[in-house]
Amino acid sequence: ETGVTQTPRHLVMGMTNKKSLKCEQHLGHNAMYWYKQSAKKPLELMFVYSLEERVENNSVPSRFSPECPNSSHLFLHLHTLQPEDSALYLCASSQAWDSSYEQYFGPGTRLTVT
Amino acid sequence: GQNIDQPTEMTATEGAIVQINCTYQTSGFNGLFWYQQHAGEAPTFLSYNVLDGLEEKGRFSSFLSRSKGYSYLLLKELQMKDSASYLCAAVDSNYQLIWGAGTKLIIKP
Repeated sequence: ETGVTQTPRHLVMGMTNKKSLKCEQHLGHNAMYWYKQSAKKPLELMFVYSLEERVENNSVPSRFSPECPNSSHLFLHLHTLQPEDSALYLCASSQAWDSSYEQYFGPGTRLTVT
Repeated sequence: GQNIDQPTEMTATEGAIVQINCTYQTSGFNGLFWYQQHAGEAPTFLSYNVLDGLEEKGRFSSFLSRSKGYSYLLLKELQMKDSASYLCAAVDSNYQLIWGAGTKLIIKP
């Protein structure tokens, strides 16, 4: 148990669907992250939140929309996705974003876009 | 640009020793992480080095040379459960993690 949970674990959606990924951390951390992991590629940082404020947005298409209602919860809203968006989406948290604290990862959501 | 290089795949024998190398180029440097990721699971923290030298933690050790932009993860007395991907990540001057693509380690009996 890493203290970071994600739901759903698996998601299949069509290109016209709207869905949301949920992440919750039980570690009292101040920073939360969304990553995309594709096979044989480095982790791609998508968004970083610190105390519910977005601090990083790495040129992510607008079809991905993050939401951080409080420091324990993070959502990724998905709409009109493309097949190339199929990947493992990982949520992580750490004590602070602007330091070298280790990140704790959730188990990920395996997303398939058909 | 910023870059991390590590081998794509390695194979080793149960009970043996394996060294996974990682070279990095970053804008500034604030340390280097190693994570382990079993198939279908979350990456989990193994080690963090910011000073030159070797840090030992049980069967796993991690080495850093800042002048060479080089690190390695050393796994001793390999067990079948060590079959996993090992991710190297360097911390740049903005405290962003620059990730490698991971090394898939296959352990054979």
